[in-house]
Amino acid sequence: GNSVTQMEGPVTLSEEAFLTINCTYTATGYPSLFWYVQYPGEGLQLLLKATKADDKGSNKGFEATYRKETTSFHLEKGSVQVSDSAVYFCALSGSSGSRLTFGEGTQLTVNP
Amino acid sequence: GAVVSQHPSWVICKSGTSVKIECRSLDFQATTMFWYRQFPKQSLMLMATSNEGSKATYEQGVEKDKFLINHASLTLSTLTVTSAHPEDSSFYICSATTRTGASYNEQFFGPGTRLTVL
Repeated sequence: GNSVTQMEGPVTLSEEAFLTINCTYTATGYPSLFWYVQYPGEGLQLLLKATKADDKGSNKGFEATYRKETTSFHLEKGSVQVSDSAVYFCALSGSSGSRLTFGEGTQLTVNP
Repeated sequence: GAVVSQHPSWVICKSGTSVKIECRSLDFQATTMFWYRQFPKQSLMLMATSNEGSKATYEQGVEKDKFLINHASLTLSTLTVTSAHPEDSSFYICSATTRTGASYNEQFFGPGTRLTVL
């Protein structure tokens, strides 16, 4: 079946540092890939997505590239801010548009 | 994006009572709503899939008699936790979506409901 593996957290960075959160997946066919962000006490918000190989999703300075050869969708941001502190979830939806499979989530804390 | 609301945002109840949580799609008609449960510092666990006008499909290990789901309209699904106990305390999140043929479109998530059972 489908699965998503994220790098373990928590991740603590200083403001303006470079961020990478690794995500790899296992799926048959051609899944769509997503990054969701969850701020404290809130539900999930879609951060970015990519629907086919080599697509790059980007939003709010975050980006991730769908790498089929390495089955990866790593999240990056060049310069993080304190307001980026949240939990980040990598997820996939199967090629048939099936329900979402989530990774374990990675807690990011950015200190001023 | 589309807006999904949940009510209440938090609730505290006594053990043995029932609690109803509402999930509404405010600006679109959702053929399908998903209910998730999230434990502290953990990922989302899918509890059930709710399709408008039909019975919900529960994931393995989820008690359907304890977690009653009703999806009576295209904009409202409810989750009722019956005879709640402290171990039911959790963060419950819904999402809403539509379908294109057999495929689900993008899910839009509600803000979540924090349930605490004393």
